[in-house]
Amino acid sequence: AQSVAQPEDQVNVAEGNPLTVKCTYSVSGNPYLFWYVQYPNRGLQFLLKYITGDNLVKGSYGFEAEFNKSQTSFHLKKPSALVSDSALYFCAVRGINDYKLSFGAGTTVTVRA
Amino acid sequence: ETGVTQTPRHLVMGMTNKKSLKCEQHLGHNAMYWYKQSAKKPLELMFVYSLEERVENNSVPSRFSPECPNSSHLFLHLHTLQPEDSALYLCASSQDPLAGDPYNEQFFGPGTRLTVL
Repeated sequence: AQSVAQPEDQVNVAEGNPLTVKCTYSVSGNPYLFWYVQYPNRGLQFLLKYITGDNLVKGSYGFEAEFNKSQTSFHLKKPSALVSDSALYFCAVRGINDYKLSFGAGTTVTVRA
Repeated sequence: ETGVTQTPRHLVMGMTNKKSLKCEQHLGHNAMYWYKQSAKKPLELMFVYSLEERVENNSVPSRFSPECPNSSHLFLHLHTLQPEDSALYLCASSQDPLAGDPYNEQFFGPGTRLTVL
């Protein structure tokens, strides 16, 4: 069975500081990994996805993610956070031959001015 | 309209009512999904349709009945719901990841906020 863990319920950073949101996964075979963001009263917006071979993935709004196979991690990063990055972030994984996208519990990011 | 749209955005219903949620995608995708998002719980996949055929049903109670008349539209028919069914119901679409590019991401609609009294 596949699963995702987001160990932090909340992450608080000051504007202009680097932001990291952690994600570890468990899946059989090659992982298909995704990050999504959800703003209040909105659906999920796709940020980026892992493609085999690209250990550093660049996505929307200046976000990037670092894939580490040995640590089974896919941490989301942004070098300089903005107040507008305050939202709920979800990591998700899908296994090969599987439609199901398994989501983590989400991490609430608050960026203070 | 672009992307994935859902109607209504908010719905309040009694336990004896029958209602339907509608989802429409304008992305040319061939797979559609229903998810349930409850407070303090991870998103739960409910149903998956590929080319209008149901390919996954994740142990969802029969009081939820999906319908996919064509590749652009997805419905969720609701009847005799319980208060614990109150949640945000999200629709998503993608190109079928099993029939093509396995890296295809899902695109989500804004959701329907359902309250069951």
